[in-house]
Amino acid sequence: DTGVSQNPRHKITKRGQNVTFRCDPISEHNRLYWYRQTLGQGPEFLTYFQNEAQLEKSRLLSDRFSAERPKGSFSTLEIQRTEQGDSAMYLCASSLMSQGQRRNEQFFGPGTRLTVL
Amino acid sequence: AQSVTQPDIHITVSEGASLELRCNYSYGATPYLFWYVQSPGQGLQLLLKYFSGDTLVQGIKGFEAEFKRSQSSFNLRKPSVHWSDAAEYFCAVGRTDKLIFGTGTRLQVFP
Repeated sequence: DTGVSQNPRHKITKRGQNVTFRCDPISEHNRLYWYRQTLGQGPEFLTYFQNEAQLEKSRLLSDRFSAERPKGSFSTLEIQRTEQGDSAMYLCASSLMSQGQRRNEQFFGPGTRLTVL
Repeated sequence: AQSVTQPDIHITVSEGASLELRCNYSYGATPYLFWYVQSPGQGLQLLLKYFSGDTLVQGIKGFEAEFKRSQSSFNLRKPSVHWSDAAEYFCAVGRTDKLIFGTGTRLQVFP
């Protein structure tokens, strides 16, 4: 399967703990996005990368959140000192953007569901 | 401000009936428009997209959508709903970077 993969699929943690999620995009895709989805809401943009460069961060991304894409392939999203309000589905998406391709069609992974107790 | 409105939170239809899910957007430039479907506990699957050209676009699973610039709308339609179409449907707008999503419409299908 060459789709977007995310690990773990589920994470339960206690308030105050740190958690890290991983996203593996479609192999030829140079763009990688992180979104957060709370119950009953649509996904909200957090941040995105083009290759290794983090090009935009949402105001939703507090100082406790950090994302990396060190080699322009997989990405990690870390949440430090988790709070109950961080409980959500964290979705990763990837796309291919090039000089000749400006149509940003994003393909989503299955998500990581975080529960903070 | 950029936004997407899906006025219907929950829609119930009988299997075999037609379906229309509404989507209105506010966006500064000519947008790219998308419809995604999400089953419980799953990620999002792209149903169809509009970039330019023909305003009636066809997608997977027998869905279609029509872009109406004058109404800032991109409504999703299906002529005959199947029980397996029960899911959450999200409309999204964007250009070359992030997508902005609506709050979704939950579709329930009765046999």
